[in-house]
Amino acid sequence: NLMLTQPHSVSESPGKTVTISCTRRSGSIDSNYVQWYQQRPDSAPINVIFEDNRRPSGVPDRFSGSIDSSSNSASLTISGLRTEDEADYYCQSFHDSTLVFGTGTKVTVL
Amino acid sequence: QVQLVQSGAEVKKPGASVKVSCKASGYTFTNYGISWVRQAPGQGLEWMGWISLYSGTTKYAQNLQGRVTMTTDTSTSTAHLELRNLRSDDTAIYFCARGGVAATRLDYWGQGTLVTVSS
Repeated sequence: NLMLTQPHSVSESPGKTVTISCTRRSGSIDSNYVQWYQQRPDSAPINVIFEDNRRPSGVPDRFSGSIDSSSNSASLTISGLRTEDEADYYCQSFHDSTLVFGTGTKVTVL
Repeated sequence: QVQLVQSGAEVKKPGASVKVSCKASGYTFTNYGISWVRQAPGQGLEWMGWISLYSGTTKYAQNLQGRVTMTTDTSTSTAHLELRNLRSDDTAIYFCARGGVAATRLDYWGQGTLVTVSS
């Protein structure tokens, strides 16, 4: 079964850059697209990256996604960190027509 | 604008069934699939399944097979999720989202419906 592992939490000061990893435990990370979702407290998730590195309209270009085959992982990078970026972030990919979410990462803006 | 509006909170006893609805507007309902995702208190996101509006095909998470049914009513642009034989660990917020079929992203989400299972 596909598993996507993320760090439990990351924290950084406003204006800095954070990178969240999403490691695929079986199979190749580039065999299926990776999406990223932001979930603020008591809100529904919002898609911030799709198809590995594409940004939906309305999402600031401070958000970027990438894939690293050597580590079999995807990454979400948030630059110019703002207080409004404080949220939980989930990666998501596909396996055998099913969707799988990562374990989630809490981003704290200090 | 695209909107998914879900039905209200439910409280059920163990062993009962629950049906959650998700009314879509702002796009052609039959052009996209609908996925269901749940989130237990303080936990992460769990995909439950999807339904294709194009073919009527469903795909369910293995751990829910036999207890879950996803349907749609194209006349009202509404998707429905039914979960049977409820247990306490089914207590969660249930979200509908557009997409998921054919490896597509979940681009719009409903506001969520809290289902509480308690005796």
